[in-house]
Amino acid sequence: QKEVEQDPGPLSVPEGAIVSLNCTYSNSAFQYFMWYRQYSRKGPELLMYTYSSGNKEDGRFTAQVDKSSKYISLFIRDSQPSDSATYLCAMSKGNNRLAFGKGNQVVVIP
Amino acid sequence: DVKVTQSSRYLVKRTGEKVFLECVQDMDHENMFWYRQDPGLGLRLIYFSYDVKMKEKGDIPEGYSVSREKKERFSLILESASTNQTSMYLCASSQLGTGGTGELFFGEGSRLTVL
Repeated sequence: QKEVEQDPGPLSVPEGAIVSLNCTYSNSAFQYFMWYRQYSRKGPELLMYTYSSGNKEDGRFTAQVDKSSKYISLFIRDSQPSDSATYLCAMSKGNNRLAFGKGNQVVVIP
Repeated sequence: DVKVTQSSRYLVKRTGEKVFLECVQDMDHENMFWYRQDPGLGLRLIYFSYDVKMKEKGDIPEGYSVSREKKERFSLILESASTNQTSMYLCASSQLGTGGTGELFFGEGSRLTVL
């Protein structure tokens, strides 16, 4: 079983819809949970991070962590064409290595 | 603005050639990493370095080596390129230390095609 599972299937949504992405993980030692956004032909950049369980909101983006279920989510409200990108979940134990999911390609259709 | 710069965005090489991928960061970060990214496989760690002249194998080091002679520079070397090394290569850096997010700052990537 991989440490981090993220269904890599592409997701197409109409503009204004809510985008819901999620990852599951197996290692209970993970404490820091991140979402990276990667535009086409660019490197990933950190979008949001959360420490331990709970919710974090930043504008149209909400990250949720449920450590009891080993499940993390990212929600994008009022999605825009500029949100079209690949979203990767990542997590760490507080050391220097991150475990990544495979990424979800999101396309927001105007 | 923090920056990780990969010198070559696109390379085409022939099987058996020696390939150098260069990465420079201007954030005085101790940690530097090389990943490859392939469709359906995600990001896979090749090598990383916590300090100058120090290196550790990641998950897929076979066929690769690295060099870190200066803190800001981390090079990935393919001694004899093969077609299965055709991929997007991403360099990243982060601040040293336990605790904290371990946030990685990525370069824009080097897309290597081996013919």
